Amino acid sequence: EAQVTQNPRYLITVTGKKLTVTCSQNMNHEYMSWYRQDPGLGLRQIYYSMNVEVTDKGDVPEGYKVSRKEKRNFPLILESPSPNQTSLYFCASRPPGKPTTGELFFGEGSRLTVL
Amino acid sequence: GENVEQHPSTLSVQEGDSAVIKCTYSDSASNYFPWYKQELGKRPQLIIDIRSNVGEKKDQRIAVTLNKTAKHFSLHITETQPEDSAVYFCAASSGGSNYKLTFGKGTLLTVNP
Repeated sequence: EAQVTQNPRYLITVTGKKLTVTCSQNMNHEYMSWYRQDPGLGLRQIYYSMNVEVTDKGDVPEGYKVSRKEKRNFPLILESPSPNQTSLYFCASRPPGKPTTGELFFGEGSRLTVL
Repeated sequence: GENVEQHPSTLSVQEGDSAVIKCTYSDSASNYFPWYKQELGKRPQLIIDIRSNVGEKKDQRIAVTLNKTAKHFSLHITETQPEDSAVYFCAASSGGSNYKLTFGKGTLLTVNP
């Protein structure tokens, strides 16, 4: 089954404790992206990756890191989480094609709480 | 960069009525406009999209219209049903090599039986 898988789905952590949210897709998509969703703010892009070893900042990259060593995986790293990073995180991928061909396939989301 | 405004933020309708959600965008280079539906506790999923060379697109009870001159596009849902209750996001993209997709803040649609 074609899917984007995120882990963990739920996490409560404390300020400063490094954590990684994993994202894996089995559709051979080149493009992958991370979004955070906050009430009243919609979906905001954190980082994206056009392909292996190619990553770039989105609209809200502060406090986050990413890596793309394999096509299928795109982990999101919070080196020193802070309470303002409490949010619902979505990983998404897009099939190759023309730039304007668009459907994003989202993972199920990871709800992160930083105390 | 692109800015997408979405209205209303909440919308309540009676079952069987129509619902309209409107979005405006700022970047005249944007040429792709998808709509995503997010049911409670679920992931966003694409329901319909439109490209700039088309003024209207329909898929059963949902339709999207685009006015490039005014830089706005709208989602129309007819004969609403309780299962249409969800958060709807519009988005805009200028395509390009980085596929930058900017989302609106979302509309919570509630369809009352």
